[in-house]
Amino acid sequence: EAQVTQNPRYLITVTGKKLTVTCSQNMNHEYMSWYRQDPGLGLRQIYYSMNVEVTDKGDVPEGYKVSRKEKRNFPLILESPSPNQTSLYFCASSPRGTGRYEQYFGPGTRLTVT
Amino acid sequence: KQEVTQIPAALSVPEGENLVLNCSFTDSAIYNLQWFRQDPGKGLTSLLLIQSSQREQTSGRLNASLDKSSGRSTLYIAASQPGDSATYLCAVPISGTYKYIFGTGTRLKVLA
Repeated sequence: EAQVTQNPRYLITVTGKKLTVTCSQNMNHEYMSWYRQDPGLGLRQIYYSMNVEVTDKGDVPEGYKVSRKEKRNFPLILESPSPNQTSLYFCASSPRGTGRYEQYFGPGTRLTVT
Repeated sequence: KQEVTQIPAALSVPEGENLVLNCSFTDSAIYNLQWFRQDPGKGLTSLLLIQSSQREQTSGRLNASLDKSSGRSTLYIAASQPGDSATYLCAVPISGTYKYIFGTGTRLKVLA
């Protein structure tokens, strides 16, 4: 089944403890992206990747890191999480990032930072 | 700067009604517009992708239209059902970039 998977689905952590949220797609898509969703603010793009080893900042990249060493995986790294990073996170992928293709979303990761 | 607006923020309708959800954008230079459905606490499900060269796209009881000149897209839901209750989001790629921008959504409740 074609899909985008994220792990973990739920995570509660403490301020400053490094964490990684994994994202994987099995559709051979070139483009992958991370979003966060907050009440009243909607979905905002954190980082995106046009292909392996090619990444760039979205609208809210502060406090996050990403890497794209393989086409299928695009992990989101929080080096020192803070409470304002408590949010619902989504990974998405698309065949290409030229804006002409549909985006497919993962199920989401709910992160709470205390 | 591209801005995407969805009005109303929330909508309640009785079952069986036909309804229209609106999505407005400020920069008409878009490649496409995508409509999503999101159930509470869940991920986004793609409903329709309408290319800039198209005026309409249909899937079952859903019909999306796009008018680039006026900066508007509408999602028409025919014969609404309680199972249609969800938040509906629209999104556009930002011209000349690899970024996307989302509207804040319309929360729909269909009453049985």
